[in-house]
Amino acid sequence: AQKITQTQPGMFVQEKEAVTLDCTYDTSDQSYGLFWYKQPSSGEMIFLIYQGSYDEQNATEGRYSLNFQKARKSANLVISASQLGDSAMYFCAMRAAIQGAQKLVFGQGTRLTINP
Amino acid sequence: DTGVSQDPRHKITKRGQNVTFRCDPISEHNRLYWYRQTLGQGPEFLTYFQNEAQLEKSRLLSDRFSAERPKGSFSTLEIQRTEQGDSAMYLCASSHWGTGDRGYTFGSGTRLTVV
Repeated sequence: AQKITQTQPGMFVQEKEAVTLDCTYDTSDQSYGLFWYKQPSSGEMIFLIYQGSYDEQNATEGRYSLNFQKARKSANLVISASQLGDSAMYFCAMRAAIQGAQKLVFGQGTRLTINP
Repeated sequence: DTGVSQDPRHKITKRGQNVTFRCDPISEHNRLYWYRQTLGQGPEFLTYFQNEAQLEKSRLLSDRFSAERPKGSFSTLEIQRTEQGDSAMYLCASSHWGTGDRGYTFGSGTRLTVV
């Protein structure tokens, strides 16, 4: 079974600093995908970035990058030049196969607070 | 494309009452998922539809829960005889088989409080 572990319940960062949110995963699948989502207080899950297990390059999306270390089974999210609007819950997730499609298995999340 | 819509946004109900939530996915998405998120936790998978067929159900989905997607468009999630432990955010997501791994789009959720 797939499992996602996020060990940082909360992070506090000064505006404009970079921040790294940790994520480790466990799976016996050879092919898998890893996601990061942002959940503001409004409740919606917002897709940030995706990394496939066979992707050789680390994924980047604007200010977001994913530090993928396959041997260590880690997929940390790096946010550069943090902004006040980045304050939210952040969830790491893994794709797990179900009949005909795939579900997402989520970690417990990290609450990020950006201080002015 | 107005995204995934969920109704209501908030629901307060007394223990023992039945509640029903609605999810309207993105119109061209043929896959629809329900997740439950309790306070301080990540979302947990409940069930999945491809078109109108319910193809997967989690063990979290007890007999008091039923989900439908009658015409392969909107979906409803009903909870009968609600219990305090049912208090959670219920999230709906949709995707299309051709949209790959970026394709999951979530709604804003229905927050259920059982008193």
